Amino acid sequence: AQKITQTQPGMFVQEKEAVTLDCTYDTSDQSYGLFWYKQPSSGEMIFLIYQGSYDEQNATEGRYSLNFQKARKSANLVISASQLGDSAMYFCAPPCSGNTPLVFGKGTRLSVIA
Amino acid sequence: NAGVTQTPKFRVLKTGQSMTLLCAQDMNHEYMYWYRQDPGMGLRLIHYSVGEGTTAKGEVPDGYNVSRLKKQNFLLGLESAAPSQTSVYFCASSFGTSGYEQYFGPGTRLTVT
Repeated sequence: AQKITQTQPGMFVQEKEAVTLDCTYDTSDQSYGLFWYKQPSSGEMIFLIYQGSYDEQNATEGRYSLNFQKARKSANLVISASQLGDSAMYFCAPPCSGNTPLVFGKGTRLSVIA
Repeated sequence: NAGVTQTPKFRVLKTGQSMTLLCAQDMNHEYMYWYRQDPGMGLRLIHYSVGEGTTAKGEVPDGYNVSRLKKQNFLLGLESAAPSQTSVYFCASSFGTSGYEQYFGPGTRLTVT
């Protein structure tokens, strides 16, 4: 089974600063995809960003970007110019391929301070 | 566009009672999933389906059963509820797995007393 590790249970960041949330994974697959989801206090799961293992560039989506280091098996989420509304749980979902469903990491709780 | 809907949103059961959670999606997705999320924890996969008429076990399948009789619906059943099944249950669907995001329902908060 694929394995995902998010080592930061909680993080604090000052408003307007950038923050990096860590995610490492374990896979023997050559072709795979990685997802990040956000879960605000209201409970819904919101898709943020996706990285394919063969994508030549790191994925970016507005203020979200991935620092994807394939050799190190890490896909850290970078949030630039943090906003109060970024306070939430963030989940990394590990490589999936074929019919393997997503298995989520335990998440990182981000708190943005004014 | 409704996306993924879940019924009910809240439910309180007594130990030993049974219930069915309904998940419906209108995006013609092949894949559907049931997760549970316990306080302060991530999502754990209970069961999933890769198409109408098929189901498979996830990480924590014990105590649950599922059915996918119609492509748009994925049912999660608890035959004899236990306090350990108190959780928030999320349904999700996706067009595929590799490279396809999952669309989540709003969740069902279940309390078993």
